[in-house]
Amino acid sequence: DAGVIQSPRHEVTEMGQEVTLRCKPISGHNSLFWYRQTMMRGLELLIYFNNNVPIDDSGMPEDRFSAKMPNASFSTLKIQPSEPRDSAVYFCASSPTNLQGRDEKLFFGSGTQLSVL
Amino acid sequence: AQSVTQPDIHITVSEGASLELRCNYSYGATPYLFWYVQSPGQGLQLLLKYLSGDTLVQGIKGFEAEFKRSQSSFNLRKPSVHWSDAAEYFCAVAPKGSNDYKLSFGAGTTVTVRA
Repeated sequence: DAGVIQSPRHEVTEMGQEVTLRCKPISGHNSLFWYRQTMMRGLELLIYFNNNVPIDDSGMPEDRFSAKMPNASFSTLKIQPSEPRDSAVYFCASSPTNLQGRDEKLFFGSGTQLSVL
Repeated sequence: AQSVTQPDIHITVSEGASLELRCNYSYGATPYLFWYVQSPGQGLQLLLKYLSGDTLVQGIKGFEAEFKRSQSSFNLRKPSVHWSDAAEYFCAVAPKGSNDYKLSFGAGTTVTVRA
């Protein structure tokens, strides 16, 4: 299995531009998570999907952020308009189930390094 | 408030020496406990987790961790480190119950291995 695939690996954009990050979870996984990693705040859960349905988006910073999961094999995280403070590494992760308490685990992608100038 | 504390930001250890990374948590009840490792430019990989039962948990790559309820700690150990263990290590917790998908991560500890 190729693992969780994220694209692009690096994104450099100017303030005000729209940014779309993409994620392909591991086939058969029904849970998908978007995390953001910064030096100041560490790793933060942005949004959690289960069976393509957003279950918890309480971590999404503001209305400029939106996430979709149109099918089981694809998700996007969009920032519009982008701001310099959005610069971070964005990770997508998937899991076979929605319960960490079972003998399952999160599989992380390699992340997208976003720089907003 | 729930929190995860990793007191050591950076640890340097010699190859072959032992390693211990500290993790303390503040939670209403004993949560699920995890250790993840992140190599440069990579996503996180699960090393081990404590769900219940035996308080000494064995993981991959020769790591182990011990849950101590009285100290609210879940320290990670390795008897003899290899140069490939240089990475950033994250302790994480998740509440038991319907919100157990909500992992909260510590700030991380960067481990440098010197020859």
